[in-house]
Amino acid sequence: GAVVSQHPSRVICKSGTSVKIECRSLDFQATTMFWYRQFPKQSLMLMATSNEGSKATYEQGVEKDKFLINHASLTLSTLTVTSAHPEDSSFYICSARERTGWRTEAFFGQGTRLTVV
Amino acid sequence: DAKTTQPNSMESNEEEPVHLPCNHSTISGTDYIHWYRQLPSQGPEYVIHGLTSNVNNRMASLAIAEDRKSSTLILHRATLRDAAVYYCTQGNTPLVFGKGTRLSVIA
Repeated sequence: GAVVSQHPSRVICKSGTSVKIECRSLDFQATTMFWYRQFPKQSLMLMATSNEGSKATYEQGVEKDKFLINHASLTLSTLTVTSAHPEDSSFYICSARERTGWRTEAFFGQGTRLTVV
Repeated sequence: DAKTTQPNSMESNEEEPVHLPCNHSTISGTDYIHWYRQLPSQGPEYVIHGLTSNVNNRMASLAIAEDRKSSTLILHRATLRDAAVYYCTQGNTPLVFGKGTRLSVIA
């Protein structure tokens, strides 16, 4: 199956600093990638849809200036958590679908555990 | 908001079959039904998907009701490694996840 790689898998940062998370589709091209956030014991919440070469679309309640998304190529999207605070501590997960479109399933990265201290 | 509903939790004995239900009463004619599972501290993993007909793959079987308003994921012989949260979704990306079903497998 298609592989989505997310890096880093775990990061601890100080309050007020910024953290960048990378999401790569390793063996397919992804026009669109998706970013989710998951708090303990809860389901995945969609944060934004990342489109290659254009601005991301954010879900209601997600601050676009705080969660910067860049999708510069068909295989890479990045999420930057700016001026992180302890309440931003969460499990962040990216997802991608193949560009060709005949496959309907989505593939997920392994997730990034962010802890802000 | 999620469009699917699932039981919060289920329990199964090892080596026994497990039937995980999902209701998707607002599904449209072109919406696929996908199932994913998530192990602790990992991203979701694709399990199976279907549109109208029942589907089988190496991981599981998917039984879709004739009116498509519900489906059942079938694990034929549960193992300890199948313990996870199972999510069903309807429609295309972006996928919207409900609370899922936490499956416990007892040795």
